[in-house]
Amino acid sequence: GAGVSQSPSNKVTEKGKDVELRCDPISGHTALYWYRQSLGQGLEFLIYFQGNSAPDKSGLPSDRFSAERTGGSVSTLTIQRTQQEDSAVYLCASSLPPAGYNSPLHFGNGTRLTVT
Amino acid sequence: RKEVEQDPGPFNVPEGATVAFNCTYSNSASQSFFWYRQDCRKEPKLLMSVYSSGNEDGRFTAQLNRASQYISLLIRDSKLSDSATYLCVVRQGSQGNLIFGKGTKLSVKP
Repeated sequence: GAGVSQSPSNKVTEKGKDVELRCDPISGHTALYWYRQSLGQGLEFLIYFQGNSAPDKSGLPSDRFSAERTGGSVSTLTIQRTQQEDSAVYLCASSLPPAGYNSPLHFGNGTRLTVT
Repeated sequence: RKEVEQDPGPFNVPEGATVAFNCTYSNSASQSFFWYRQDCRKEPKLLMSVYSSGNEDGRFTAQLNRASQYISLLIRDSKLSDSATYLCVVRQGSQGNLIFGKGTKLSVKP
């Protein structure tokens, strides 16, 4: 079946502009995660949605970052007034409800964001 | 203290070697533990879950020590194709988010 789909795959934007990144999770996956990864660095947790629960936003680096998930499916990560330090690969992952070990993360291919 | 810590490496080993990676986590309420593998410029993929009693999958053995909040991954008879970054991953609580370590880079040479 279809995997996690992210768009766009690449985005170049000017400093100060807003960007929207989209994630289509695997159908039936109630858990959705956003991470970002800078070159040569580890994955930095941003935000986590699980079903109808309030999202865990503890990883968002500033109030310029926000995310929503409509209808428990598609998610959009928005970065306002982009800065050069926002340049990274933004990875979305989804999984079945995280009850135990039978719910590994399935990652999309990521959106490579470059802020000039 | 970082939530999930790993030795960044790199580990450079010859084919056939045995190599061990270690990981420590800070949140004692963590419930689930995993090892992921990430190839260069690719997304991470699940390698194996880590069970309390320890578990083995072919050449890979994972162990968990809850008292010490320590996880390990052992790779035996390493292959060139094992070259990648190995990520230690910990779930916060039973329903919480997944926190990734920064990864340990492994390079297996002929």
